[in-house]
Amino acid sequence: EVQLVESGGGMVQPGGSLKLSCTASGFTFETYWMHWVRQAPGKGLEWVATIMEDRSRKNYLDSVKGRFAISRDNAKNSLFLQMNNLRAEDTALYYCARGYYGSPDFWGQGTPVTVSS
Amino acid sequence: EIVLTQSPATLSLSPGEKATLSCRASQSVGNSVAWYQQTPGQAPRLLIYDASNRATGIPARFSGSFSGTDFTLTISSLEPEDFAVYYCQHRSNWPLTFGGGTKVEIK
Repeated sequence: EVQLVESGGGMVQPGGSLKLSCTASGFTFETYWMHWVRQAPGKGLEWVATIMEDRSRKNYLDSVKGRFAISRDNAKNSLFLQMNNLRAEDTALYYCARGYYGSPDFWGQGTPVTVSS
Repeated sequence: EIVLTQSPATLSLSPGEKATLSCRASQSVGNSVAWYQQTPGQAPRLLIYDASNRATGIPARFSGSFSGTDFTLTISSLEPEDFAVYYCQHRSNWPLTFGGGTKVEIK
């Protein structure tokens, strides 16, 4: 059974940092693209970042470039999102998702991030 | 950036009725559109990928089609569990984007 479990969310002040983690199981992690997608309260889905199975290839939403960094540890079946210089507009539920290439095909339950003073 | 415009925003139907949801891309995306279902408090679930392929375990009442830049998700006969929000998404290029969603509600 495919499982994705996110952790690391919480409340942080503007300008602060958080590191999200996602632990995967039930599939061959190293062969899949992995994504972070977020959903602000009461809003729709917004893609944030993707890392391909080749860890050197990464893509980001323009508004998070230079602030967020996606990474993965294939030996530990883990995906990460380092978020720096957080803004109020980054407040959302952050989902880790496995990718059928650029389309997420299985999602975790999400970890909430609140940026507020 | 490719913009995906979903219509209608809300669809009010009764169980057993047919639902037709639309997603229009602002430029050509080939067939690289997926559809997702999200029920309250739950993570999204992939229904359709590459415009017309049902994901594993998705009932046959869900189908996808497209013509040019117009994509359609059809639910042939609504079951109670189908009342939810539906999103389209493209993977044609970067950035990946989602449509704004269509809420299918009980009439």
